[in-house]
Amino acid sequence: AQSVTQLGSHVSVSEGALVLLRCNYSSSVPPYLFWYVQYPNQGLQLLLKYTSAATLVKGINGFEAEFKKSETSFHLTKPSAHMSDAAEYFCAVKRADRDDKIIFGKGTRLHILP
Amino acid sequence: KAGVTQTPRYLIKTRGQQVTLSCSPISGHRSVSWYQQTPGQGLQFLFEYFSETQRNKGNFPGRFSGRQFSNSRSEMNVSTLELGDSALYLCASSRDGQEYNEQFFGPGTRLTVL
Repeated sequence: AQSVTQLGSHVSVSEGALVLLRCNYSSSVPPYLFWYVQYPNQGLQLLLKYTSAATLVKGINGFEAEFKKSETSFHLTKPSAHMSDAAEYFCAVKRADRDDKIIFGKGTRLHILP
Repeated sequence: KAGVTQTPRYLIKTRGQQVTLSCSPISGHRSVSWYQQTPGQGLQFLFEYFSETQRNKGNFPGRFSGRQFSNSRSEMNVSTLELGDSALYLCASSRDGQEYNEQFFGPGTRLTVL
């Protein structure tokens, strides 16, 4: 079975500082991994995805994530936070060997301090 | 290209009633998935429909049901509403539901059960 753990339900960073949102996964088979962002009163938008190609994945809005199999992690980073990055971020996992549902983490709300 | 649309955006019902939510996927998308989002449980997968057939199902009671029409539009129904059914219900569509195809989310229907 697949599962996702996001460390920290709330993270605060100063504008211009490094953003690091942590995600650890558990999967009995090779996984596909995703990061989604949700702005207030909106649905989810895909930031980036890992589908077994390059382990360093670049996404939209300057975000990137690195797949580390040995650490079962897929942390999301951005070098310099912007006020517009304030939102809720979800890590998700899906098994890669067959079609199955996506399992989401509980989300991390990112606050940007001026 | 129009995005995923969900109607209505807001609903208020009372316990015991039933409700039907509608989702229109992006044109050409044949897979529609439904999720329940609550502060305590996060995003939970309800079910996925592809070409009018339910392909995957989450762990929800039988009060939650859905269907998909030949034009790929989907509806979900919740009967005998309970207070705990209050949530944001998100619909997502993808071209064919395969792992490498991005899911596009609608803005959600916020259901409040009194």
